Amino acid sequence: DADVTQTPRNRITKTGKRIMLECSQTKGHDRMYWYRQDPGLGLRLIYYSFDVKDINKGEISDGYSVSRQAQAKFSLSLESAIPNQTALYFCATSVEGVDGELFFGEGSRLTVL
Amino acid sequence: GESVGLHLPTLSVQEGDNSIINCAYSNSASDYFIWYKQESGKGPQFIIDIRSNMDKRQGQRVTVLLNKTVKHLSLQIAATQPGDSAVYFCAEKIHGQNFVFGPGTRLSVLP
Repeated sequence: DADVTQTPRNRITKTGKRIMLECSQTKGHDRMYWYRQDPGLGLRLIYYSFDVKDINKGEISDGYSVSRQAQAKFSLSLESAIPNQTALYFCATSVEGVDGELFFGEGSRLTVL
Repeated sequence: GESVGLHLPTLSVQEGDNSIINCAYSNSASDYFIWYKQESGKGPQFIIDIRSNMDKRQGQRVTVLLNKTVKHLSLQIAATQPGDSAVYFCAEKIHGQNFVFGPGTRLSVLP
């Protein structure tokens, strides 16, 4: 079983719809992240959270919101989806306090028509 | 802001040859670097990391070289295999801050 699980894996929606992408982890890590990946671009940070009561904006937070419901769960919402939010979204986790790797989920492909 | 970049967007190598994937970074304050591999339909997977107090680190069939003078990072894959075909990302980090990712290089292994 994957340590970082994202749902749904694929979603097609229409402009203006509200969408939620969910992430859960069994790694016991405090830190969780949401990234967006577009063709030819590196991963860009949307939001991150260092614990349940901590939410921080990343590089491209406009049009997105997040909720850290528990240590193991971090969800990303698009309140009113638009076509340029069509992308591959990744959730990631990391260990607190040390510089170390990010552990990524398998990704959620979102298409906004 | 400063960001990580790659010299080549695609790289094709013959099976069995060595591969070298390059990465230029612009923030001289970065002190930690990672290479990730992303196979089609999957999330990025950690390959190898290196801290700024080192200039070389070896793993299984992979070596990362760090040249701080010219702010250059490279990933060498020995005896490249078909399973090495993927997109490879470098990422840099300053302690206490978040990672900055490069755009990636697609490695294709030719039979």
